[in-house]
Parts: sequence; structure tokens; C-alpha cells
Amino acid sequence: AQSVSQHNHHVILSEAASLELGCNYSYGGTVNLFWYVQYPGQHLQLLLKYFSGDPLVKGIKGFEAEFIKSKFSFNLRKPSVQWSDTAEYFCAVGSNYQLIWGAGTKLIIKP
Amino acid sequence: GAGVSQSPRYKVAKRGQDVALRCDPISGHVSLFWYQQALGQGPEFLTYFQNEAQLDKSGLPSDRFFAERPEGSVSTLKIQRTQQEDSAVYLCASSLERAITDEQYFGPGTRLTVT
Repeated sequence: AQSVSQHNHHVILSEAASLELGCNYSYGGTVNLFWYVQYPGQHLQLLLKYFSGDPLVKGIKGFEAEFIKSKFSFNLRKPSVQWSDTAEYFCAVGSNYQLIWGAGTKLIIKP
Repeated sequence: GAGVSQSPRYKVAKRGQDVALRCDPISGHVSLFWYQQALGQGPEFLTYFQNEAQLDKSGLPSDRFFAERPEGSVSTLKIQRTQQEDSAVYLCASSLERAITDEQYFGPGTRLTVT
């Protein structure tokens, strides 16, 4: 069965620190990979996605993610976080019509 | 512009009651998805509509769950004889086209509490 694993449930960082959130998936077919973010009090929204081409994908607000096929990973990165990045981040893999989601990582940025 | 809306935002039901949750997708969006999100977990797929056709209902946890989208726009998720394990946030999302690569736009969710 397909699954998505996010390694950290909670991450606390200071402003300007670098961020890397881990995401590993198990799926044997063509992968479509997503990161969604939910800011406090807001809806889930797309941060970035990968379905083909350059494995380094850039998204909104300075986020990027790298698809490493050999490691079944799609880690999210940001070189310097801001207080406004406080949110919950979800990794998901698309299969047919379904999105299979990780459990999410709650990121808290200390000002 | 208007996003995806869901109603009610909160619903408390006594065990055994039936509930109906409504989703208004973005106008013109072909695809509509329902997800269930338990506390501390990621969303779990329930069902998918392409216009009025329900193409995938493999995620519905039991025959107490039923979804419809009769005119290809508004959708309703109905849960019969609610149980405590049905307590969760129910999310609706829509996307413009049919491809899994399309961005899904999410509503605020309906938080269902079964007592």
C-alpha cells in the first residue's frame, strides 16, 4: 500500500534558521508529489508540486523541494525562515485520483 | 474570488443521528474531493467526483457514508447512524481539471463531533 512518512511531527526554529522537513513515500508507479501548508486559521493551500522534469522544485514564499528518486524522498527546504512560516506542513503523493497524505509537521518559528 | 465553502463549519451529533455536510466548490471546477482528517493526522481520501460522476469511492469507510454531486457543482456528504469514530474534520477540495497534478483548492472543513 502507498504511504507517506513525515519524520518530524513538531519542529521549533528561530527566525533566520534554515529549514528542512523530511518526507519519504512508498509508491511504485509514476509519482506526483506535493507539499501543502496550513497557516493558523486558514485553509490548506498548495506550496509546491513535482510531477516531472527538474527534480528541484521552487514554490511560493521561498520554499523549495528536491525529488530524489533513489531515496524515495521529497524534502522541503527554506534557507532562512520567518515568523510568518509558522504553520502545519503536509507532504502528499498523488495516485490516480487520490492524494495520500503524511501526518503533517507543525512548524513553530520563534521571533 | 470565491473559494471553496463548506457548511456547517461545526456539527455536534448524538450517536445514531444522521448528518449532511455540504460543499460548494469553486465555480467551473470539474473535480471534487472529500477527505476525512482525524485529530493529529493528515487528510485521508474518501471519494472523488468528476462533474456529477462519482469515479472513486474507495475511501468511504463504511456503507453509512454516502456522497453525491447531482448537478456537477454542490456536493453533499451524508453519514448515517453516526458513531464516535466518525468524529473528525471533513474537508472538501476542488480542482479545475481532471489530472491529479492539478492544484486542489480546499475549503475550511466541517468539524464533526459525535457524542
